[in-house]
Amino acid sequence: SQQGEEDPQALSIQEGENATMNCSYKTSINNLQWYRQNSGRGLVHLILIRSNEREKHSGRLRVTLDTSKKSSSLLITASRAADTASYFCATWATSGTYKYIFGTGTRLKVLA
Amino acid sequence: GAGVSQTPSNKVTEKGKYVELRCDPISGHTALYWYRQSLGQGPEFLIYFQGTGAADDSGLPNDRFFAVRPEGSVSTLKIQRTERGDSAVYLCASSFHDGYTFGSGTRLTVV
Repeated sequence: SQQGEEDPQALSIQEGENATMNCSYKTSINNLQWYRQNSGRGLVHLILIRSNEREKHSGRLRVTLDTSKKSSSLLITASRAADTASYFCATWATSGTYKYIFGTGTRLKVLA
Repeated sequence: GAGVSQTPSNKVTEKGKYVELRCDPISGHTALYWYRQSLGQGPEFLIYFQGTGAADDSGLPNDRFFAVRPEGSVSTLKIQRTERGDSAVYLCASSFHDGYTFGSGTRLTVV
C-alpha cells in the first residue's frame, strides 16, 4: 500500500517558473524525504526533513512539513528543463516499521 | 562498491519461468530493501533485511516471491512461476542511517 499521495499528479511549467508539489500522508512520521526519478529507474535522494522541523532548503529546493495537517510540499525555484522528472515523497513512520513508504508521485515537465 | 548495483538491468522471461534478481549494496550498509514499481506508480515495499535476516517481509505479494541475503551483503530476489502481472521495475536500496541509496533497478518483463 502507498502511504502518501502527491498532488498534482502531473505538472507542466515553463523554464524559469517555480514548481510546487504537495504530499499528504496518513500516519505519524519520524521523517519525510523527497526523491527524484528520471525515466522510471533509480531514485535520487533530494532532501530529508524531520518531524520536528518545519522547513529546509537545499539549493533551489525548499521543503516544508506540517505534521498537524500531515502534509509536505516541495518547491523548486527557477526551474530548468533538466528538472523534468517524477518526484516522490517517502515517509518513515514512528510505529517502528523501519521502512520508507512512498507516495504516488508528481510527474513534472519543464518546457524550454 | 561506490553505489548500489543491480543486475541484470533488464530481464525478459516467459510466463511460468523462474527468475533471480541481484542486488549488491554499498559496502557497510547493514539495511537492504527491495521495492517494486509499476508504471506510473510509486515504489511499493516488498522486503527489508537487517544484516542476514529478513526483518520485515510484509510486502511480498505471495509465496512465489522470496529473497535472501545469506552473508549480510548481496541479496537475491527470487520469483517462481512468473506471471505477466509481475512485470515491473524492481528496485533495491541500501541504508546505514538516514535515507536510502537506490540502485538503477531491474526492469522485469514477463511475456
